[in-house]
Amino acid sequence: GAGVSQSPRYKVAKRGQDVALRCDPISGHVSLFWYQQALGQGPEFLTYFQNEAQLDKSGLPSDRFFAERPEGSVSTLKIQRTQQEDSAVYLCASSLRDSRGDTIYFGEGSWLTVV
Amino acid sequence: LAKTTQPISMDSYEGQEVNITCSHNNIATNDYITWYQQFPSQGPRFIIQGYKTKVTNEVASLFIPADRKSSTLSLPRVSLSDTAVYYCLVGARSNDYKLSFGAGTTVTVRA
Repeated sequence: GAGVSQSPRYKVAKRGQDVALRCDPISGHVSLFWYQQALGQGPEFLTYFQNEAQLDKSGLPSDRFFAERPEGSVSTLKIQRTQQEDSAVYLCASSLRDSRGDTIYFGEGSWLTVV
Repeated sequence: LAKTTQPISMDSYEGQEVNITCSHNNIATNDYITWYQQFPSQGPRFIIQGYKTKVTNEVASLFIPADRKSSTLSLPRVSLSDTAVYYCLVGARSNDYKLSFGAGTTVTVRA
């Protein structure tokens, strides 16, 4: 498809389990972002990539969260030793250039439930 | 990023115009105002962006007074499919990837 694609759409993890969430941005988009959205709240910024470089990871809530984009296209958000408070929708977004004034396109999100 | 205040919810009926006002008293000179729409089970979608006066596109209009301390998103003749959460964001374009969404306004359109 032409949009941002995320997988899995739904994930149930047992507390303590590691999870990996994948994002396929729109082809050719330079910038990629991850956001976390808790139930009933707006999305909150996690991290930003420009090509393969992670330029901002200030929003990652703890060192259990790790994101990578090794070849400048697909990105993976990894959460180690999941905890119940990690339950949220994880949104990936991309934009064509370096995000200055560019429209940011969001995927449908990966819904993570930690039980 | 400038803090924004918008109503938690609004109800409307099909065919009516919906106006959502967002307050941003401490908006900076280089800040833009951007609105996003989010349907259930989907990611946010860009609607409109403006700096001053009025901006209109095929989806909505954005009215910004001269002091820029508030803005109003206007949705003409809403339909049931316009039921969504609408977010007002304020920030500089150079830093606009770090979007601060807030809680948004839940607009419910009834038949």
